[in-house]
Amino acid sequence: AQKVTQAQTEISVVEKEDVTLDCVYETRDTTYYLFWYKQPPSGELVFLIRRNSFDEQNEISGRYSWNFQKSTSSFNFTITASQVVDSAVYFCALSVTNTGNQFYFGTGTSLTVIP
Amino acid sequence: GAGVSQSPSNKVTEKGKDVELRCDPISGHTALYWYRQSLGQGLEFLIYFQGNSAPDKSGLPSDRFSAERTGGSVSTLTIQRTQQEDSAVYLCASSLLASYNEQFFGPGTRLTVL
Repeated sequence: AQKVTQAQTEISVVEKEDVTLDCVYETRDTTYYLFWYKQPPSGELVFLIRRNSFDEQNEISGRYSWNFQKSTSSFNFTITASQVVDSAVYFCALSVTNTGNQFYFGTGTSLTVIP
Repeated sequence: GAGVSQSPSNKVTEKGKDVELRCDPISGHTALYWYRQSLGQGLEFLIYFQGNSAPDKSGLPSDRFSAERTGGSVSTLTIQRTQQEDSAVYLCASSLLASYNEQFFGPGTRLTVL
């Protein structure tokens, strides 16, 4: 069975602090894809990143970085020098090709950046 | 616009009434998903359409829920005999063919059942 766990329900940080959002996934398939989405207060989910199971290279995009470790089945997301605009709910998701393209979402982490 | 659109944005209905929620995916996207997001919760998968294949209905919570997709484009999610526990935001997403393609989400329909 596929599953995504985001153990952190809510996180609050002061502006300019770094923050890491955890994501742990479960799957027996060897080919899968991991995603992060951002849901700002306006409500519409926005795609942030996709990684496939064969590419464990970490990725950096501006203040965002992602650490994919197959050994621990984790795909963590770090925001450096957080800003108020980063306040949102962040969802991690897993897609496994053998399950017919269904996506499995975690329950989300609500991040509040305090000015 | 070129994004996923959903209508209505808000729907208030009385318990026992039927409701229809509409989703217009991005043109050319063959995959379409419906999710339900209850207050403070994650996304609950409801149903998935892929081209002309039979839909994956494994997430529908009861037989009061149904969905169709006409002409491989617009989709309608119908909830019959609504209950208060159906109150949630219903999100639609579309993507290109395969599971490695990211989903593009619509703004959602907020359903309130009184």
